[in-house]
Amino acid sequence: ETGVTQSPTHLIKTRGQQVTLRCSSQSGHNTVSWYQQALGQGPQFIFQYYREEENGRGNFPPRFSGLQFPNYSSELNVNALELDDSALYLCASSRDSQPQHFGDGTRLSIL
Amino acid sequence: KNEVEQSPQNLTAQEGEFITINCSYSVGISALHWLQQHPGGGIVSLFMLSSGKKKHGRLIATINIQEKHSSLHITASHPRDSAVYICAVTPLGGTYKYIFGTGTRLKVLA
Repeated sequence: ETGVTQSPTHLIKTRGQQVTLRCSSQSGHNTVSWYQQALGQGPQFIFQYYREEENGRGNFPPRFSGLQFPNYSSELNVNALELDDSALYLCASSRDSQPQHFGDGTRLSIL
Repeated sequence: KNEVEQSPQNLTAQEGEFITINCSYSVGISALHWLQQHPGGGIVSLFMLSSGKKKHGRLIATINIQEKHSSLHITASHPRDSAVYICAVTPLGGTYKYIFGTGTRLKVLA
């Protein structure tokens, strides 16, 4: 089985720009979660999609949005980028309540 | 106050030592997870617990639901165990999200 893959691995943007991060989940995983991990901190929950519908959201503003597609891929979109958005963004997929499988993350730097 | 607290934040051990990392949480949970994160960023799931104790190789994880506390033990530690160990919980409710602790950075010296 293929693992969870994220693209790109690294990305540099400037304040005010928009970014789309992509994730390809494992086959058969109906749940995808996105997390933001600042340097030296634990990951923070952004939102989760279950069968292509948003199924929970953390304390992040509406400029963070997402999509989940029928082919198990998903996207995280961030508009109007701010300096504090610089972080490692992690995607994780699972089948229902089974343990989540994590991608290696996208490291986003905002200048 | 964070919903998931870990201690210690940093730990340096000599090869062969017995290591314990502690995790306390303040919310109702359906499961607790121990994960390992290497410098590149990738996270690997080590254990998922809802009660009792689990063992995998030199790793042992325990949980006390009444006290809202879990421990991860590493026996006969080795330099390749050096990583960040993170405790996370799945809270009761409709989502399967994880709430993470801040992690314990472990360095095992040869």
